[in-house]
Amino acid sequence: EVQLVESGGGLVQPGGSLRLSCSASGFTFSSYEMNWVRQAPGKGLEWVSYIGSSGTLYYADSVKGRFTISRDNAKNSLYLQMNSLRAEDTAVYYCARDWGSYINAFDIWGQGTMVTVSS
Amino acid sequence: EIVMTQSPATLSVSPGERATLSCRASQSISSNLAWYQQKPGQAPRLLIYGASTRATGIPARFSGSGSGTEFTLTISSLQSEDFAVYYCQQYNNWPPEFTFGPGTKVDIK
Repeated sequence: EVQLVESGGGLVQPGGSLRLSCSASGFTFSSYEMNWVRQAPGKGLEWVSYIGSSGTLYYADSVKGRFTISRDNAKNSLYLQMNSLRAEDTAVYYCARDWGSYINAFDIWGQGTMVTVSS
Repeated sequence: EIVMTQSPATLSVSPGERATLSCRASQSISSNLAWYQQKPGQAPRLLIYGASTRATGIPARFSGSGSGTEFTLTISSLQSEDFAVYYCQQYNNWPPEFTFGPGTKVDIK
């Protein structure tokens, strides 16, 4: 079964750091582009970051300079290092697989992990 | 940044009826548009990509159309499991600045 499972969410104070992980199974992880997408409570979806199969990195302006996406193909894992966290970063964070072949639609999603930034 | 808008914000439909959801882009995105369905407490599910191609396993009652700046998702005969929030997403630009619409909630009339 093709599956993504996120972990690492929790409660963190403003200015703090958190590292999210996404474990992939059921497909050749190294061949796929991957993304992080977030959803604030009761709000819509916001794309956060992209990493290509070759390691190319891109970020939304709202997180550029604070968040770092990475991957470990040997471990079939995707990561999001989040630093200098703000209240507005509070959201469910999803990892999502890119369909590929220049079609950046997200065909597989994890169940999400909640990040709460609050004092 | 390409801004996506969706209308209406809420659509009340009876089971068995047709639902038509609209999505508009602030500039042309060719056919680089996807539609997602999200139910409460669940992750989004890809329905349509390339504006009109159904994703794997998506029932034929879901269809997408449009290109440029105007797009439509049609659900031909609403089933009980179709009541959800629907989002459109553009993926036209590179480097990526993927953006989603604010969503349309389809609820039971």
